[in-house]
Amino acid sequence: SFVLAQPPSVSVAPGQTARITCGGNNIGNNWVHWYQQKPGQAPVLVVFDNSDRPSGFPERFSGSNFGNTATLTISRVEAGDEADYYCQVCDINGDVVFGGGTKLTVL
Amino acid sequence: EVQLVESGGGLVQPGGSLRLSCAASGFNFSKHWMTWVRQAPGKGLVWVSRIDGDGSRTTYADTVMGRFTISRDNAKNTLYLQMNSLSPEDTAVYYCARVPQYIVVVTAPFDSWGQGTLVTVSS
Repeated sequence: SFVLAQPPSVSVAPGQTARITCGGNNIGNNWVHWYQQKPGQAPVLVVFDNSDRPSGFPERFSGSNFGNTATLTISRVEAGDEADYYCQVCDINGDVVFGGGTKLTVL
Repeated sequence: EVQLVESGGGLVQPGGSLRLSCAASGFNFSKHWMTWVRQAPGKGLVWVSRIDGDGSRTTYADTVMGRFTISRDNAKNTLYLQMNSLSPEDTAVYYCARVPQYIVVVTAPFDSWGQGTLVTVSS
């Protein structure tokens, strides 16, 4: 089945830009969704269909998806953005696949 | 406001069974596909199963196929997951989530999640 590769961790200083990647074979041909999960909480959808944001969600969160890499970009990072982030696609068989998750640390 | 509340988790012995429930409110439940996702302690998210709005179409991850059954009661606005032949590898927090209405529903994200219910399989 489709395999999505995420870096285990990303660290960034407050106010800087964090980029979290999600690698997969020709992932650019799939719709990619991103979830944020804070400790002890349920996941929250932050970007869907590669680059759209749920209504009311900060514009600081954006996404892109080309070739073999999808990227979640968080601009002007805040302490409250510290969380685990997961990418997700649906593979050719119709099964849902999540990436392994990336822990974002705000220094 | 969309609300999803899971229940039914607990401690069960290997080989045992458990039925999880997910009570939905705040939206037209029967119009939405629903899904279950699980997360083992300290691990990532893993998709388990999905069901269409009237319960006629279901899909399962290979790891639970033949052991788990997803179903729904639209009159009660409730989603279920019947889990049989449980093993320690099934230990996880189980989340139910809503699938928004999409033209190609299998490509849709999960736009609302419950708080999860913990299932522990251990002797």
